[in-house]
Amino acid sequence: KAGVTQTPRYLIKTRGQQVTLSCSPISGHRSVSWYQQTPGQGLQFLFEYFSETQRNKGNFPGRFSGRQFSNSRSEMNVSTLELGDSALYLCASSLTSGRTDTQYFGPGTRLTVL
Amino acid sequence: DQQVKQNSPSLSVQEGRISILNCDYTNSMFDYFLWYKKYPAEGPTFLISISSIKDKNEDGRFTVFLNKSAKHLSLHIVPSQPGDSAVYFCAASGARGNEKLTFGTGTRLTIIP
Repeated sequence: KAGVTQTPRYLIKTRGQQVTLSCSPISGHRSVSWYQQTPGQGLQFLFEYFSETQRNKGNFPGRFSGRQFSNSRSEMNVSTLELGDSALYLCASSLTSGRTDTQYFGPGTRLTVL
Repeated sequence: DQQVKQNSPSLSVQEGRISILNCDYTNSMFDYFLWYKKYPAEGPTFLISISSIKDKNEDGRFTVFLNKSAKHLSLHIVPSQPGDSAVYFCAASGARGNEKLTFGTGTRLTIIP
């Protein structure tokens, strides 16, 4: 069974630009969550999508948004990029939105904002 | 405000000995805890979990202990192997939280051959 895939793996943008990251979950998984990892902050939850609906949202500004398609693939968008948005963005999929469902992570997209 | 804390950024252990990684939490609503392991250039992989109704859970070389009164959990790896060298993240979730998982900042474990 293929794992969670994320594209692109690396991205360089400049301040003020916008970016879209993509995540394909494990086949059959309907929940996709997004996390931001920065040095010293660990992984911070951005949002979760289940059946094309946002189920939970972390404490991030509205510049961070996402969506999920009918095939469970998800995209994350960051508008008006700031230097502090440089991070590893990880997505994780699980079968359902249940709290104790194991989340399987992709390798991440490394975003650098110059 | 860091609700899940891993106060040791790094830990070195001799191969074959026990590795003990610690994690503290502040939110009393957390009732489910997990450990993830992360290698460079890979996403975190699930290791072991524990519900707040238990105080211990074992899976092979990995054991997680939960002390609810101290709001503390630990991961024991016995015996430690070179392949265990990675960053370990503690995570927690609560029934009424709006976050899927709240993670600690990680502990880098290095196993010395």
